Amino acid sequence: KNQVEQSPQSLIILEGKNCTLQCNYTVSPFSNLRWYKQDTGRGPVSLTIMTFSENTKSNGRYTATLDADTKQSSLHITASQLSDSASYICVVSANAGNNRKLIWGLGTSLAVNP
Amino acid sequence: ETGVTQTPRHLVMGMTNKKSLKCEQHLGHNAMYWYKQSAKKPLELMFVYNFKEQTENNSVPSRFSPECPNSSHLFLHLHTLQPEDSALYLCASSQESGNYYEQYFGPGTRLTVT
Repeated sequence: KNQVEQSPQSLIILEGKNCTLQCNYTVSPFSNLRWYKQDTGRGPVSLTIMTFSENTKSNGRYTATLDADTKQSSLHITASQLSDSASYICVVSANAGNNRKLIWGLGTSLAVNP
Repeated sequence: ETGVTQTPRHLVMGMTNKKSLKCEQHLGHNAMYWYKQSAKKPLELMFVYNFKEQTENNSVPSRFSPECPNSSHLFLHLHTLQPEDSALYLCASSQESGNYYEQYFGPGTRLTVT
């Protein structure tokens, strides 16, 4: 069964600290993995997209890693800011011929406190 | 802003009402999507349109009726909804509906069914 599991479910950190969010998946055949940021009351916004051959990709203070062998991804946030408070969602795309299926995780709710 | 707008942002309706959600994208994309986001559940894909043609309907109840008059506009017509239909309804668009195209989301419509 195609599944995406994220941990932790929620996280509270102090402004300026780093944190790492985890995503484990059982999706086959794998096509790509995306991380989205969703602010409260807003739609998700893409942070990174990674294909099978990529094992790290950065977007400013956000760095995503992908280990296709262990089917794990992480999102590292450096020097957190109050505006990083949001839900971070991992999405894995399964490639099945002409069909595409996105498997969405539940997200990690991050709160950055002053 | 992502280039995808949704109206209204908030909607309260009774179970016997008929209402419509509107989505417009200003990105020149050819694919548009409706998603449902409920608390404690991953995003659920409802409908996909590619070049104005519906290409996916994920077993959505008939009380939800989509309409795509052109590639820039997408509607979701609602009638005789149930309280469990209360959720955030997100519209998204992408260049096409293939595996590698990034989806851009609107801010969503927060729907409450009383």
